[in-house]
Amino acid sequence: GAVVSQHPSWVICKSGTSVKIECRSLDFQATTMFWYRQFPKQSLMLMATSNEGSKATYEQGVEKDKFLINHASLTLSTLTVTSAHPEDSSFYICSPLRVYNEQFFGPGTRLTVL
Amino acid sequence: SQQGEEDPQALSIQEGENATMNCSYKTSINNLQWYRQNSGRGLVHLILIRSNEREKHSGRLRVTLDTSKKSSSLLITASRAADTASYFCATDANLGVGQNFVFGPGTRLSVLP
Repeated sequence: GAVVSQHPSWVICKSGTSVKIECRSLDFQATTMFWYRQFPKQSLMLMATSNEGSKATYEQGVEKDKFLINHASLTLSTLTVTSAHPEDSSFYICSPLRVYNEQFFGPGTRLTVL
Repeated sequence: SQQGEEDPQALSIQEGENATMNCSYKTSINNLQWYRQNSGRGLVHLILIRSNEREKHSGRLRVTLDTSKKSSSLLITASRAADTASYFCATDANLGVGQNFVFGPGTRLSVLP
């Protein structure tokens, strides 16, 4: 199957700092990248959809100025949580789309904001 | 609301028993996938079933799909303690801009030794 990596796998930061999460598709190109968030004991919720070279489309209730998404290449997308607060503590999962109907998931990044 | 809804939300069984989880969805789909997630870990893809399929097997897993009822079931036979995890169904929500899978809330399965 396709290989997707995320870095870091976990991060602890102080409130008010920014955290960047990288997602790479290692053996395929992804024109579309989905970013999900998962709170403890809950399901995955889509945050935003980005297409390479375009601005991301955010789901209702997700602040675009707080969660900055950059999809500069077909193999790399980044999610930056700006001015993180404890309520942003969550599990963030990227999901690149290889071809139509083939979506893969990264291993996730656990963010803890103190 | 969620496209996929798993039932039950929590299930506790003894090792060796079978575990059945159900998933219902609202709109038409192209395919449905089941994933497993161990606590604090990422998703593990279990099985994909397409809308024109009714049943698929993979090892101890059996998935059925009833498009007329908009439901799917995941059966784990001869369960093991290592099967303890959350199980999610995900349906493609074909938004026209690539595809996006919508996840249900999941079923938390506990297999007791």
